[in-house]
Amino acid sequence: GDSVTQMEGPVTLSEEAFLTINCTYTATGYPSLFWYVQYPGEGLQLLLKATKADDKGSNKGFEATYRKETTSFHLEKGSVQVSDSAVYFCALSDQGNAGKSTFGDGTTLTVKP
Amino acid sequence: EAQVTQNPRYLITVTGKKLTVTCSQNMNHEYMSWYRQDPGLGLRQIYYSMNVEVTDKGDVPEGYKVSRKEKRNFPLILESPSPNQTSLYFCASSAQGENTIYFGEGSWLTVV
Repeated sequence: GDSVTQMEGPVTLSEEAFLTINCTYTATGYPSLFWYVQYPGEGLQLLLKATKADDKGSNKGFEATYRKETTSFHLEKGSVQVSDSAVYFCALSDQGNAGKSTFGDGTTLTVKP
Repeated sequence: EAQVTQNPRYLITVTGKKLTVTCSQNMNHEYMSWYRQDPGLGLRQIYYSMNVEVTDKGDVPEGYKVSRKEKRNFPLILESPSPNQTSLYFCASSAQGENTIYFGEGSWLTVV
């Protein structure tokens, strides 16, 4: 079946540091890929997504590129802020069918001033 | 405002006492799902529904029931809760043909 593997956390960075959170996947066909973010005490919300190979999703300074050849969707940000502290989830779903989605285990990011 | 609403947000209950966590969405979405989030295990899907009266098991359905009698509602039922069902539960919805999932704020359930 489908699976998503995320870089283990927790990750602790200083403000303005560069962030990379690795994500690789196993899936049949051509899934859509997502990053969701969960701020403390809240539900998950979509951060960015990509629906086909070589697409780049971006939002709030975060970026991730759909790499089919390496089955990866790594999350990056050039300069993190304290407000980016959260849990980040990589996920995949069949094209046009988010009803059945597979999530990674989540990576906790803490950014210190 | 588009949203997924779950209740209760926090609940402590005793083993064996039936409970229901309600979920409602106002976006006319076809798909609805329940997930549980546990430390070190990430987010695991319990059940999902593709439309009214259509439900299917997710990855961890044991000990749970669901029903989808109306499009907007998707309650999660624990007929006889046990301590291993202590978890953070999320309801979610999405539109047919779309990729994005919308999550509720979560329900913290403790079974003692």
